[in-house]
Amino acid sequence: AQKITQTQPGMFVQEKEAVTLDCTYDTSDPSYGLFWYKQPSSGEMIFLIYQGSYDQQNATEGRYSLNFQKARKSANLVISASQLGDSAMYFCAMREWGGSNYKLTFGKGTLLTVNP
Amino acid sequence: DTEVTQTPKHLVMGMTNKKSLKCEQHMGHRAMYWYKQKAKKPPELMFVYSYEKLSINESVPSRFSPECPNSSLLNLHLHALQPEDSALYLCASSQEQGGSYEQYFGPGTRLTVT
Repeated sequence: AQKITQTQPGMFVQEKEAVTLDCTYDTSDPSYGLFWYKQPSSGEMIFLIYQGSYDQQNATEGRYSLNFQKARKSANLVISASQLGDSAMYFCAMREWGGSNYKLTFGKGTLLTVNP
Repeated sequence: DTEVTQTPKHLVMGMTNKKSLKCEQHMGHRAMYWYKQKAKKPPELMFVYSYEKLSINESVPSRFSPECPNSSLLNLHLHALQPEDSALYLCASSQEQGGSYEQYFGPGTRLTVT
């Protein structure tokens, strides 16, 4: 079974609108972290936001927020007021602190296109 | 400053060549990583160094040889590669203390094996 599932291969959004990128995860480890990364066509992976499994509040970083629903095992990324520069591939990833805890497991990614 | 640098940006090598990829960070991060990424796929972990010791080797073929000379540097030595090894190679680092576990990536080296 996939540990990280991103069901949207591609998404389109109009500039200045908000967009939600979906991510569900599967783990039996009670202690884990969830990450979102942005990868523009240039190739660099840019860290956006982090949510720990014990965090009570949803993480926010500027225009990015993470909608963490633990019971549903979902960690959706919300981008508010989309900009043309937000066009990129977005990866959801998880680290499980038990076992081989350095390993970051990635989803397959969602390609976001922001239209003017 | 969250900068990880990688050299070279692009590399073309023949199957009999020996080359090295270099990665450097000056953030005091204690873990460093090598990933391989094929087009339109997520990155795949290759190696992890923690406190300058090899912590994880994801069953990578021996034609890839990592080295961590000190806490700021990470090398990936390449020898007798195959065309299917052509990919984007990403280096990353993470602090691993003080609640900071996110990995910061470099810009990558685009490797083509001919």
